[in-house]
Amino acid sequence: AQTVTQSQPEMSVQEAETVTLSCTYDTSESDYYLFWYKQPPSRQMILVIRQEAYKQQNATENRFSVNFQKAAKSFSLKISDSQLGDAAMYFCAYRVTGTASKLTFGTGTRLQVTL
Amino acid sequence: DSGVTQTPKHLITATGQRVTLRCSPRSGDLSVYWYQQSLDQGLQFLIQYYNGEERAKGNILERFSAQQFPDLHSELNLSSLELGDSALYFCASSPRWGSLETQYFGPGTRLLVL
Repeated sequence: AQTVTQSQPEMSVQEAETVTLSCTYDTSESDYYLFWYKQPPSRQMILVIRQEAYKQQNATENRFSVNFQKAAKSFSLKISDSQLGDAAMYFCAYRVTGTASKLTFGTGTRLQVTL
Repeated sequence: DSGVTQTPKHLITATGQRVTLRCSPRSGDLSVYWYQQSLDQGLQFLIQYYNGEERAKGNILERFSAQQFPDLHSELNLSSLELGDSALYFCASSPRWGSLETQYFGPGTRLLVL
């Protein structure tokens, strides 16, 4: 069974600084997708970034980028120039391609942004 | 705004009761997913429908059932409710089943069972 592990329950970063959230996953599949979702206090689940496993190039979306290490089964999220609005729970998620398209989530990392 | 709508936003009910949660996917999306977010179980996949047909089942209790209608909206029915069913229930949609497209989440329905 696929599992997603986020080993950092809480992280803190100062405004304008950079922070990296860790995620590891376990799978025997070779073709899959990885995602980071953000859940602010409103509880809405917002897609931050996604990565296709067949792509070697790391995904980037503005201040958000990932470090995807397929052999190590690692998928970390880097947030640059952190802003107060980045404070939220961040969930790493995995989805295999093909028929089983459910998302498997990690337990989340709560990010606090301080002045 | 993801384009996925869920009603109601909040629901308070008693143990043993039955409730129905409703989801309207994004325009054009054929696939609907239901997830449960609780404090002890985290975010868990419940069930998926594609164009009216059930496609995948996760950790969904037998007391729970779902369906997707011809207009593609979906309903999640929860019966014989227990205190432990209190959770945030999300609906998500994507254009196709098993494809590259991302799942976009609705705002959720917060269920409190007293």
